Amino acid sequence: AQTVTQSQPEMSVQEAETVTLSCTYDTSESDYYLFWYKQPPSRQMILVIRQEAYKQQNATENRFSVNFQKAAKSFSLKISDSQLGDAAMYFCAYRSAWGAQKLVFGQGTRLTINP
Amino acid sequence: DAGVIQSPRHEVTEMGQEVTLRCKPISGHNSLFWYRQTMMRGLELLIYFNNNVPIDDSGMPEDRFSAKMPNASFSTLKIQPSEPRDSAVYFCASSSRGGQGAHSNQPQHFGDGTRLSIL
Repeated sequence: AQTVTQSQPEMSVQEAETVTLSCTYDTSESDYYLFWYKQPPSRQMILVIRQEAYKQQNATENRFSVNFQKAAKSFSLKISDSQLGDAAMYFCAYRSAWGAQKLVFGQGTRLTINP
Repeated sequence: DAGVIQSPRHEVTEMGQEVTLRCKPISGHNSLFWYRQTMMRGLELLIYFNNNVPIDDSGMPEDRFSAKMPNASFSTLKIQPSEPRDSAVYFCASSSRGGQGAHSNQPQHFGDGTRLSIL
């Protein structure tokens, strides 16, 4: 079974600075997807960014980018120019590309933005 | 474009009562997922449907939990009888995918969740 680990329960960063959230996963599959979801206090689950395992190029969405290291099974999220609205729980998630469609989530990292 | 709609947003009830959570997926999506979020266990899948058919219910905790999807636009998650340990936030999510075994790169879109408190 696949597992996802987020080793940082909490992180904080100064507004306008850059922060990186860590995620590692374990799988025997070669084809899969990885996601970062954001959960603000309103408890919505908002998709931030996704990465296809077969793509070597790291995904980027505006101020959000990932560092995908397939061999190391590492998938970190970098947030540049942090804004107060980025404060939230961030969840890393894994999904098989074939077969089972369920998301396997990490335990989450709570990100605080200091003004 | 309406997202996934869940109701109720909050539910408080007494132990032993029947609880029904409802979900309307995004129109055109043919996969529907029920997740539960607790402090102890995090986010975990309870059950998911493809084309209204349950595919994996291995996450359903026990017989007190049941889920149905009578048509493509509606699903329910029922707990009977409810217990205090069922208190959690329950999320419904939907996505589109291909046919059986098809490669799918579509993300899951989540509803706002139902916060359930069993007293």
